[in-house]
Amino acid sequence: GAVVSQHPSRVICKSGTSVKIECRSLDFQATTMFWYRQFPKQSLMLMATSNEGSKATYEQGVEKDKFLINHASLTLSTLTVTSAHPEDSSFYICSAYPSSGGSDTQYFGPGTRLTVL
Amino acid sequence: GENVEQHPSTLSVQEGDSAVIKCTYSDSASNYFPWYKQELGKGPQLIIDIRSNVGEKKDQRIAVTLNKTAKHFSLHITETQPEDSAVYFCAASAGNFNKFYFGSGTKLNVKP
Repeated sequence: GAVVSQHPSRVICKSGTSVKIECRSLDFQATTMFWYRQFPKQSLMLMATSNEGSKATYEQGVEKDKFLINHASLTLSTLTVTSAHPEDSSFYICSAYPSSGGSDTQYFGPGTRLTVL
Repeated sequence: GENVEQHPSTLSVQEGDSAVIKCTYSDSASNYFPWYKQELGKGPQLIIDIRSNVGEKKDQRIAVTLNKTAKHFSLHITETQPEDSAVYFCAASAGNFNKFYFGSGTKLNVKP
């Protein structure tokens, strides 16, 4: 149980284009999901908190107009990187809290490797 | 806000030896402390966690200890195997759907 998927696993795009990454909780409902960014050999950097049915909460320094987050259902959150540039190349990981049971545990997706040419 | 520090950044052990990774935290409101294992190119996987009402928890070869007074917690892996080689992250949270604060990670290398 508690499986989180991400799609795509890898994506290569040209500068100036937009890329959408999906995060799904497969066997549980998730009111709250998180999006992280990870650079090589570094820790996870929280970008934003995604709440179903409301606007995302962005961490300081993260451009909300560049990283659009939509949490339209209890099992799906999407991250859209708009007007991508090479510096946006990174490993993006989502996580989800099961809605039931007052959960303390976040379950992570497998990550999406974004390369912007 | 919370600050989590993790040591060491790299750790090499011989297969069969034990490995210990330590973390400290700063916010006394934190009450949930998970440990994640991340293999190259993959997402973090929860391996063990502990809540502040418990001092120690064990799951086969893996154990976690928590000292609330000193605000530190540790991961202990016994009888290490090559497949334990990965990056390990500790985290702290106030629980109840709050965000996690991660340590900087420890790269564990288990030599056969």
